This record gives sequence, structure tokens and C-alpha cells, in this order.
Amino acid sequence: DAKTTQPTSMDCAEGRAANLPCNHSTISGNEYVYWYRQIHSQGPQYIIHGLKNNETNEMASLIITEDRKSSTLILPHATLRDTAVYYCIVTRGGSNYKLTFGKGTLLTVNP
Amino acid sequence: EADIYQTPRYLVIGTGKKITLECSQTMGHDKMYWYQQDPGMELHLIHYSYGVNSTEKGDLSSESTVSRIRTEHFPLTLESARPSHTSQYLCASSDGSGGRGNIQYFGAGTRLSVL
Repeated sequence: DAKTTQPTSMDCAEGRAANLPCNHSTISGNEYVYWYRQIHSQGPQYIIHGLKNNETNEMASLIITEDRKSSTLILPHATLRDTAVYYCIVTRGGSNYKLTFGKGTLLTVNP
Repeated sequence: EADIYQTPRYLVIGTGKKITLECSQTMGHDKMYWYQQDPGMELHLIHYSYGVNSTEKGDLSSESTVSRIRTEHFPLTLESARPSHTSQYLCASSDGSGGRGNIQYFGAGTRLSVL
């Protein structure tokens, strides 16, 4: 699996967009980018995933660069409940491939 | 919302006791996982199962054991608990193929303290 690099922490004002970057310069052609988050002491929660194209769902948007070496998770209107550790994971699709959770980015949404 | 349940949520137990952490899911998922996470640290996969009667060890060595007799049930057992087993244990399940195959649904976790 490709290695990912994320900032240790970020701050965002409530109501503003939160943009969380992830570098994955060694990603291979059949690897997906997944984003999960973990609110304090709870189990991780799946947010979104993508292969090549940008993706959007009810929680967030995922922007993947054309060379696929980096991506950005966008929370369009951050709320206090979005304060969590966000994990960017790169792995091949299919449940036979395991997820490796790194240290992630601690996003703190401030009032 | 995912339907995956872990019991107990919290457990304080003395050294040497045998414990079983329960994990059940009602989604009919074939794949199930156990992760261990110390406070403020990363999640580590300790066991996984691809279906009934299938269990494998994960990336982090663990003294715990698991069983998968029924699709919906994936219990984790510690034969003799020690203080070094104090941690949070998280259970997850997944299904699907391709990109959706790595969408894992997590339970709320069990916080284990061994005195």
C-alpha cells in the first residue's frame, strides 16, 4: 500500500470550509483513496473514497489531483461536531485488502 | 447507519481473568475485523475473518484469540488478562467489491482495563 502524509493538526472556524490535504506520491494505478474520521473515543467512520475522479456525497467532497499524488477532503460547512481525527488511507479496492490507519490529522473546529 | 454492536462498552477486570469481548453485526457482512487502539495512538489490526470458520492474525501480534462460527458474530477472547492488555478494542465489518470493499463499519468499541 502507498504511504500517506497528512498534517498533524489543523484548525477551522465553524461554518467555514475545512480542507484537509493528503499526499500519496507513491500511489499505484489500482489503489483507491479512502477517508475516515474518528471522533474522540468512538469507532472510525467512513466518509468517502475515490479512484481518479472527484467525488461528493452528503458528508464531504474528495478532490484528487490529476497525477493522483495528492488529494483534499473538503467539509463544506464545518460544525463543532466535525472535530475529529481524519485518516487518509490508500489501498487497493476490495475487502481482501486491509486498511492501515496512520496518525491522521486532528481537525479542531472552533466556534 | 451501520448495525454493528460491541459489548461491554467498558470492562474493568483483575489480572488472570478470562474475558470475551462480543461483536455482532446484522448486515450479513462476510468480512469482520478486530482493531486495538491505545489512548491517543494509532489503530492496529489484530484479527480478521473473511467468513465463517475463517480467521487470520492481523498486523499487530496479540495474545487474544477469535472465532467465527456464525456470520454475524465475531467474539474476541483473552484467556488470562494482564495489565498490558489494557486498551480499546474496536470491531468492524465490511462487504462489497472494488472500491466499496474497503468501506468498514465500526462498532463503538470496548474499553478494557486490567488491574
